[in-house]
Amino acid sequence: DAGITQSPRHKVTETGTPVTLRCHQTENHRYMYWYRQDPGHGLRLIHYSYGVKDTDKGEVSDGYSVSRSKTEDFLLTLESATSSQTSVYFCAISEAGVGSYNEQFFGPGTRLTVL
Amino acid sequence: KQEVTQIPAALSVPEGENLVLNCSFTDSAIYNLQWFRQDPGKGLTSLLLIQSSQREQTSGRLNASLDKSSGRSTLYIAASQPGDSATYLCAVLTGTASKLTFGTGTRLQVTL
Repeated sequence: DAGITQSPRHKVTETGTPVTLRCHQTENHRYMYWYRQDPGHGLRLIHYSYGVKDTDKGEVSDGYSVSRSKTEDFLLTLESATSSQTSVYFCAISEAGVGSYNEQFFGPGTRLTVL
Repeated sequence: KQEVTQIPAALSVPEGENLVLNCSFTDSAIYNLQWFRQDPGKGLTSLLLIQSSQREQTSGRLNASLDKSSGRSTLYIAASQPGDSATYLCAVLTGTASKLTFGTGTRLQVTL
């Protein structure tokens, strides 16, 4: 298995509070991604990073921000959590970026509940 | 906008049967297609990656094919086992953002 850990694995929080999820990799891959998984929607890309301090938005980025200060860590922050952000969040990594060699490997996920 | 569809949504087969899972996508301008397995409450495990220039990939009892022009891929599982029970997801990589677009999956149950 690719060396990807996510913390916390489970979190319950209240509406309006800030939340930060962490993804840590030991593979030294350049690209990192945050997805959310919801019933009926599949997995959708929130943000991704193509290097230290280089990030960009995905298709469902509203209400989320990210930071990457080190190759191995990618943080996802919900500035003010809402109930619509209740979801399972997955981090992924890949060695290659654009192109056919981009194979993504996923972490175990974080289950977030916003009450 | 790329859309990925997986049919059927759920499938139950007896152990030992060969089976095919289907994946279709609307925009043929893809870089690659990945098949994943997801067990309940777990993350995604990458099974096979087919590059856009390839027609198929094999790994053990799994064989995935890709017909880019028609926007279709199939995952063939030979001699199914109860341990194959899981949700299978396909995803296509498109665009300049290294974006994977996922289908909603096929939930497979292999019974004894």
